[in-house]
Amino acid sequence: RKEVEQDPGPFNVPEGATVAFNCTYSNSASQSFFWYRQDCRKEPKLLMSVYSSGNEDGRFTAQLNRASQYISLLIRDSKLSDSATYLCVVNPNYGQNFVFGPGTRLSVLP
Amino acid sequence: GAVVSQHPSWVICKSGTSVKIECRSLDFQATTMFWYRQFPKQSLMLMATSNEGSKATYEQGVEKDKFLINHASLTLSTLTVTSAHPEDSSFYICSARDYGASDEQYFGPGTRLTVT
Repeated sequence: RKEVEQDPGPFNVPEGATVAFNCTYSNSASQSFFWYRQDCRKEPKLLMSVYSSGNEDGRFTAQLNRASQYISLLIRDSKLSDSATYLCVVNPNYGQNFVFGPGTRLSVLP
Repeated sequence: GAVVSQHPSWVICKSGTSVKIECRSLDFQATTMFWYRQFPKQSLMLMATSNEGSKATYEQGVEKDKFLINHASLTLSTLTVTSAHPEDSSFYICSARDYGASDEQYFGPGTRLTVT
């Protein structure tokens, strides 16, 4: 089993749709979690950290379920500019290398 | 968030030549930097972890004599692709950890290397 797995995608959704991505991780002792987005031919950029209580930033909501070892990202009212690959990232422990998921590609269509 | 710069942003070189890529953390000290490679439509692949003042730690399958890493200061790490070949053409991205309160990882803008 891979350390971090994500929905295979791609997701093609119309503008204004709500879309959710799931990510699972194998190391139950993992400490922190992040969602990054990567545009085509660009570097990954931090979208949001994921906290145990869940957190929201505008149209984006991240949830963490430690018992089930999964993380989700919900995007509401999707925009064309949301089209990108979304990477789930897990930090196994403070000071250890981050583990990147394979990414889920999202295309928001007009 | 913290800023990481990378230079050059793109480079084209001939087979057999060496290319040096610089990665700088601009507003924080990075004791650890990472070098990744990404082929089209594939995931990021960690190549090596660069620690200031010590030898880099390479991932399995990455040739340390081909990909030379130097992390001479807390704000600069360099990756030199020696004797480049067309199969080395890729997108090389560095990142730096900010071990402050957030322990987040910030990426440079990447360097697109094309070897002809």
